[in-house]
Amino acid sequence: QVHLVQSASEVERPGASVKIFCETSGYSFTGHTLNWVRQAPGQGLEWMGLINTNTGNPTYGPAFSGRTVFSVDTSVATAYLQILNLRVDDSAVYYCATASFDHWGDGTVVTVSS
Amino acid sequence: VVMTQSPLSLSVPLGQPASISCRSARSLVDTNGDISLTWFHQRPGQSPRRLFYKFSNRDSGVPDRFSARGSDSDFTLKISRVEAEDVGVYYCMQGAHWPFTFGQGTKLEV
Repeated sequence: QVHLVQSASEVERPGASVKIFCETSGYSFTGHTLNWVRQAPGQGLEWMGLINTNTGNPTYGPAFSGRTVFSVDTSVATAYLQILNLRVDDSAVYYCATASFDHWGDGTVVTVSS
Repeated sequence: VVMTQSPLSLSVPLGQPASISCRSARSLVDTNGDISLTWFHQRPGQSPRRLFYKFSNRDSGVPDRFSARGSDSDFTLKISRVEAEDVGVYYCMQGAHWPFTFGQGTKLEV
């Protein structure tokens, strides 16, 4: 059975960085890409991009190129999302989802506040 | 690719039908010749759940009162008889062109 377990919530100051994880199980981690999706408070879903879990090669959506870093650790079947130089408007729920979006993590709430 | 859903909100009595439209600014036929349109349902406080992929393929466990159809750039999600558990927000998403894009969401109240 496929499971995606995400980090607990994070609270950070503006200008800091955050790195959240998505630990997977139940399927071949390196056989499929993994997506990241953002949902700001009260807003809709935004595709941030994906990472090729075999090569580690990321693809970022245009709105997320620059301060967003995707990475993987294949030894523990885990993907990571790092956001640099946080801004207040980065406050959101961040989801990981499998390549075909058929399985999602529970989401990680990131709150950026001074 | 802009995805436009309508209506943005919908209030439907229990047992009545509901219909959500999703239109794409471009054809969603991907390089494999498939129509890459996915429907999701998100209940309050929960992660999205995929309902349909390749515009009309129902996911396991999705009740057959849900149906999805469409062609090229015009798609519809229908619920034949709305039940209480159907509340939440429905999203369409195109996966034919990068970046993938979601519709604005349609909030269903029962």
